[in-house]
Amino acid sequence: AQTVTQSQPEMSVQEAETVTLSCTYDTSESDYYLFWYKQPPSRQMILVIRQEAYKQQNATENRFSVNFQKAAKSFSLKISDSQLGDAAMYFCAYRRDYVDSGNTPLVFGKGTRLSVIA
Amino acid sequence: EPEVTQTPSHQVTQMGQEVILRCVPISNHLYFYWYRQILGQKVEFLVSFYNNEISEKSEIFDDQFSVERPDGSNFTLKIRSTKLEDSAMYFCASTKSGQNNEKLFFGSGTQLSVL
Repeated sequence: AQTVTQSQPEMSVQEAETVTLSCTYDTSESDYYLFWYKQPPSRQMILVIRQEAYKQQNATENRFSVNFQKAAKSFSLKISDSQLGDAAMYFCAYRRDYVDSGNTPLVFGKGTRLSVIA
Repeated sequence: EPEVTQTPSHQVTQMGQEVILRCVPISNHLYFYWYRQILGQKVEFLVSFYNNEISEKSEIFDDQFSVERPDGSNFTLKIRSTKLEDSAMYFCASTKSGQNNEKLFFGSGTQLSVL
C-alpha cells in the first residue's frame, strides 16, 4: 500500500521569507501523481500544486514550487515570499494512475501546520 | 470559482443514531468522493462514486456506511449506527472527469461529533 509521510508537524516562517515543507512517499508504482493541498482555517482543501511522476521538470505555480526527486521518493514544497495568507495546514497527497481505473483515491500525509510571522 | 457545498457544518449525535451528511457537488461534475479526517490524523479516503454506483471504497467504508445520489444534485453519506470512533471531519469532493491528475474540489467539511 502507498504511504505518504510528512515529517514536520509544524513549521514557521517570517513574512517574505522562503520555507520548504517536506514530503516522502512509498510506492511500487511507476506512474502516479503528487499533490500539495492547503487547508486554511475555513477548512476547505485547496489544491496548491500538482506533479506528474513521468515529468522530470518540477512544477511551479507562482510563489509555489516543488522539488520532485523520483528516485528518492521525495516531493517537497517551497513557498517563496511567504505571505500571511499562506498560514494553513498543508497536506501532501499521492494518487496512483491506472489506465483502466480512473478516479483512484488520494492518499494523504498527516499534514504540516505552517505559521507565518509578521 | 464553483464550490462544493456541505451541510451541516457541525453535527452532534448520540452513539447508535443514524446520521446523514449532505453534499452538493459542482453541477457539471460526475465523480464524487467522501474523505474523513479524525482529529490530529491524516485525511483518509472513504468512497468514490460514479454513474450511480460505488467505484471504489476503503476498508473504513463498512456496512454501516452508504452513499446515495438521490436527486441528481445531492450526494449523501449515511452512517447507520454511529460509533464514538466515527467522530471526525467528513469532506465531500467532486471532479468533472476521472482523470487521475485532475484537481479535486473539496467542500468545507462536516464536523461530526458522536457522544
